[in-house]
Order: sequence, then structure tokens, then C-alpha cells
Amino acid sequence: DTGVSQNPRHKITKRGQNVTFRCDPISEHNRLYWYRQTLGQGPEFLTYFQNEAQLEKSRLLSDRFSAERPKGSFSTLEIQRTEQGDSAMYLCASSLVLAGDGEQFFGPGTRLTVL
Amino acid sequence: GENVEQHPSTLSVQEGDSAVIKCTYSDSASNYFPWYKQELGKGPQLIIDIRSNVGEKKDQRIAVTLNKTAKHFSLHITETQPEDSAVYFCAASRGPDEKLTFGTGTRLTIIP
Repeated sequence: DTGVSQNPRHKITKRGQNVTFRCDPISEHNRLYWYRQTLGQGPEFLTYFQNEAQLEKSRLLSDRFSAERPKGSFSTLEIQRTEQGDSAMYLCASSLVLAGDGEQFFGPGTRLTVL
Repeated sequence: GENVEQHPSTLSVQEGDSAVIKCTYSDSASNYFPWYKQELGKGPQLIIDIRSNVGEKKDQRIAVTLNKTAKHFSLHITETQPEDSAVYFCAASRGPDEKLTFGTGTRLTIIP
């Protein structure tokens, strides 16, 4: 399967712990996005990368959140000192941007539960 | 920033009937409007999209219409089938590779 993959699929952690999620985009896709989806809501934009450069961060992305995309391939999203309000589905998407075009393909998500 | 509203939140239709979901947006600079289908335990899947230079687009049983003046767009599914049951999200952005602002979703149930 050559779609977007995310690991782990599920993560349960205790409040105050740090967690890290990984996203592997579709091969050769140059743009990668992170969204967060809470129960009963649509996905909300967090941040996105063009190759290894982080181009935009939402105000939702507090200083406890950090995302990286070393070498412009896979990306990691780390949440430090998790809070119960961080419980959500974290979705990754990727696109191939050519001349301003490029639909976003989503992965299956990582569901985070903070106890 | 952009704000997208979606209605209804739930929709039940008899198999074979049509379903319509409506969305409005606020940012006049938005020019890309995709629709995603999300099944349980899966990520959103793009089913159709429309750009601002087009008023209507159709792909088999699915069609989308866009009214830029009124800032609203709609998804139409005809001849509904049980496998159409899912949550549908509309979204808006300034381009397909720009950040998407999603609506709150419509849970569509097809009654056999």
C-alpha cells in the first residue's frame, strides 16, 4: 500500500507524559500536513511542511507541541506534558504540489487518549 | 480566518433516494472546496472537489455545486446505496495545497 501511514494507531498515556507520533507520507509528496480531530468535529489544521521547511503553524499548536520533518520525508509530532484536552485523533496528510495544485491525501490517524 | 458551517449534522435517507448536504464559508479568498468521506476508524477520503471557476462538477452519482456570490456549496448524492453511509465533511481553502478549514460533518445513514 502506498498511502499515508501513521504510527502508532492508538496511544494511551497519563497526564504529564510526553508522546511522539510518526507520519510517513506518500512517496515523493513534498507537502505534509498535521490536523487534529476531536469527537464529533471536523479536522482542525495544526501545521504543514514544504519539504523540510515548516511553513505555517496554527494558534492551536501551543508551545507543548513540536513538529519536525527532517530530510523532507517522514514527520514527527511531539506533545510534551500531555493534558486531558490533548485527547483527539491526530491526522496526517500529504500532497504533491506542482504549480500550485495538489489534493491532500489523509492517513488513518493516531488516536491519543490522555488519562 | 475562514469559517465553514455545514448542515445537517445527521441525515437519514431511504436506499435509492438522494441526499443533499450544504455548506457555507466566510472567506471570499477561498477558491477550493473539497468533500471528504470518513468511515469509522479511517482518515478522511477525498470524494470530489470543485474550484471557484466552476459552478458544478459531477462524478457518477456524486455532484457538487458552488455559488460564490452566496458563499455556499452543496454535495448531492443520487441513487444512494448502503455503502454511502459515513460521515461527510466539506472544507474550504485558498488552494488544494493550502490548509483546509473543515465543516463539522454530516452523519449520513442509508436505510435499506
